[in-house]
Amino acid sequence: DQQVKQNSPSLSVQEGRISILNCDYTNSMFDYFLWYKKYPAEGPTFLISISSIKDKNEDGRFTVFLNKSAKHLSLHIVPSQPGDSAVYFCAASPYSGYALNFGKGTSLLVTP
Amino acid sequence: ETGVTQTPRHLVMGMTNKKSLKCEQHLGHNAMYWYKQSAKKPLELMFVYSLEERVENNSVPSRFSPECPNSSHLFLHLHTLQPEDSALYLCASSQDRLINSPLHFGNGTRLTVT
Repeated sequence: DQQVKQNSPSLSVQEGRISILNCDYTNSMFDYFLWYKKYPAEGPTFLISISSIKDKNEDGRFTVFLNKSAKHLSLHIVPSQPGDSAVYFCAASPYSGYALNFGKGTSLLVTP
Repeated sequence: ETGVTQTPRHLVMGMTNKKSLKCEQHLGHNAMYWYKQSAKKPLELMFVYSLEERVENNSVPSRFSPECPNSSHLFLHLHTLQPEDSALYLCASSQDRLINSPLHFGNGTRLTVT
């Protein structure tokens, strides 16, 4: 059964606006969460991470929010740029190991 | 060359062929991984090596055989594959398997089994 879910397969946002990508998980043992970005014909690249001791982590235009009680995390991109158009994967792992569980991804399109 | 390099980028093989995928990392990492990405499915972990020792095998069929001769190189030997094994195979590395550090992925090998 899938433990990390990205329920929106695609998202379209205008340049300059905020992009919000969502991710839900079911395993309460997950303690470390990551977002990866993937362009066509390339491997995923690490974007940003958050551990469960925090509820927010920011890196430039990218902010990840974690709501442990709701088992939900989101990635905010502000302002969105056309170069942000890619597939975004949410991933999670338990603290004690490294069995990264990935979601199916959300395809983001940022239009000029 | 930097990062994680995978060869070949594309591979077409028949069900009776034997082929190998190669991965090399130039990041000084201690852990290496094989992932499989099939259409409309999440990335699936296949194998994990830590300091050249296999530490995890996620019930992968024996027609997939990994090899890690040193901490910089990882191979995936393929034999008698099935058409449903057609997928993108991604290699990744990380600083340490037990420390929560991000994976660094290669660009993958697109495998087609005919």
